[in-house]
Amino acid sequence: DAGITQSPRYKITETGRQVTLMCHQTWSHSYMFWYRQDLGHGLRLIYYSAAADITDKGEVPDGYVVSRSKTENFPLTLESATRSQTSVYFCASSGTAGLAGDYEQYFGPGTRLTVT
Amino acid sequence: DQQVKQNSPSLSVQEGRISILNCDYTNSMFDYFLWYKKYPAEGPTFLISISSIKDKNEDGRFTVFLNKSAKHLSLHIVPSQPGDSAVYFCAASPYGNKLVFGAGTILRVKS
Repeated sequence: DAGITQSPRYKITETGRQVTLMCHQTWSHSYMFWYRQDLGHGLRLIYYSAAADITDKGEVPDGYVVSRSKTENFPLTLESATRSQTSVYFCASSGTAGLAGDYEQYFGPGTRLTVT
Repeated sequence: DQQVKQNSPSLSVQEGRISILNCDYTNSMFDYFLWYKKYPAEGPTFLISISSIKDKNEDGRFTVFLNKSAKHLSLHIVPSQPGDSAVYFCAASPYGNKLVFGAGTILRVKS
């Protein structure tokens, strides 16, 4: 399917476990992003990537690790999950800024993660 | 420190009337602004945007107004429809592709 997909859609894990959220896009977009959505905070940027093998921290990167070996994939790993990481996680992608419309980010459907 | 603020957590409007959603920002380096709409259990979807060189952009029932001197933008939906009920996020770009989002406003359109 064309577009941007996330897996799993729902995940329950225990404190201290490692968990990886997957993100895949078929547009060959240069940029990919990970956000978390929490009540009262909107969408906060965790990490982003400008291209394969180029990643950078966002607003709330602590406790998360990302990699981007292929343009189309951008997995997010919680190395040792904590209850404060219970949230809804969204992946997004976009083209290169400077071209008309390319500030727009296209979002996946989200992963609801619960850490018990 | 929130650079993009949506001070109204929720808004209720009658079908057919105008919905006005507001957004304030603090960073004068923001040069592009976007509105996203989000339904439950779905990802946000792009709605409309405006460059800092403009003060108005229209797309069908949706109009975004930008007041740079006041660091304020608003989204007008006319006429409002029940299907417009969703969470609306304001976002701003300081440079390149990064976006800073507000906390969102829940819009309820009553039929």
